Amino acid sequence: KAGVTQTPRYLIKTRGQQVTLSCSPISGHRSVSWYQQTPGQGLQFLFEYFSETQRNKGNFPGRFSGRQFSNSRSEMNVSTLELGDSALYLCASSPTTPATNEKLFFGSGTQLSVL
Amino acid sequence: AQSVTQLDSHVSVSEGTPVLLRCNYSSSYSPSLFWYVQHPNKGLQLLLKYTSAATLVKGINGFEAEFKKSETSFHLTKPSAHMSDAAEYFCVVSPLYSSASKIIFGSGTRLSIRP
Repeated sequence: KAGVTQTPRYLIKTRGQQVTLSCSPISGHRSVSWYQQTPGQGLQFLFEYFSETQRNKGNFPGRFSGRQFSNSRSEMNVSTLELGDSALYLCASSPTTPATNEKLFFGSGTQLSVL
Repeated sequence: AQSVTQLDSHVSVSEGTPVLLRCNYSSSYSPSLFWYVQHPNKGLQLLLKYTSAATLVKGINGFEAEFKKSETSFHLTKPSAHMSDAAEYFCVVSPLYSSASKIIFGSGTRLSIRP
C-alpha cells in the first residue's frame, strides 16, 4: 500500500508569491491534517480535513488556507509569502473518521524556501 | 492544558551503548503519549505509543518507553544504539483519543551515534 504522498518535495519562491502544496493520503484514508515544521517553532498544527470539510484550524493567519477533494486528496495554499513561511510542511492521513492522534501516518513533507 | 518538554536538544552516544531520550509532560487529563522519529529529509514515523494500557511500551527497532505517572515522564530507551538510529526524535502528547488538532509536539532531540 502506498504511503502518504506529498508534492512537490522542494519549492523555492520569492516574497509576495503564492504557493500550493499537495497531499495524497493512503488509499482508504479520509482524514488529512497539515503541520508546519520550523527550527524555531517546531511542529505546529495547521488544518484538519475530513469529507471535504475543515474540522479544525490552527493559529495561523488567513494567508494559509486549504481544501480537500472528494477523493480525499488535499491541498494547502499560502498567499503573499513571507520569509517566515520557509518551513517543512508535513501532511498526515488517518484511517479514523475524523482523524485521531492514535493513527496518523505522515508524508515526507514539502520543503518550502522563501527568498 | 498540556505541554511536553524534551530535556535534551542533542544526545550523542557510541554505537552499541544504551540510548536514553528524556521527555516530561504535563496534562490535566489522561494523555496519549507518543514517540516519533524523523530521519533527514523524511516525514515522521511512529516509534511507539501509550494509550492507558501497559505502562511499558515496546516499539519498533528495539525502542521502548515507560509511562511514569508519578514522575510525569515518558523516556525513550534502547539497549544498544545502531548507526541507523541517528535521527531527530519527537515526544508528543495529546488527550486520549482526541482530534489530530490537539497534538502537542516536543521540540525534538537530535540523536547522534559515534562509531
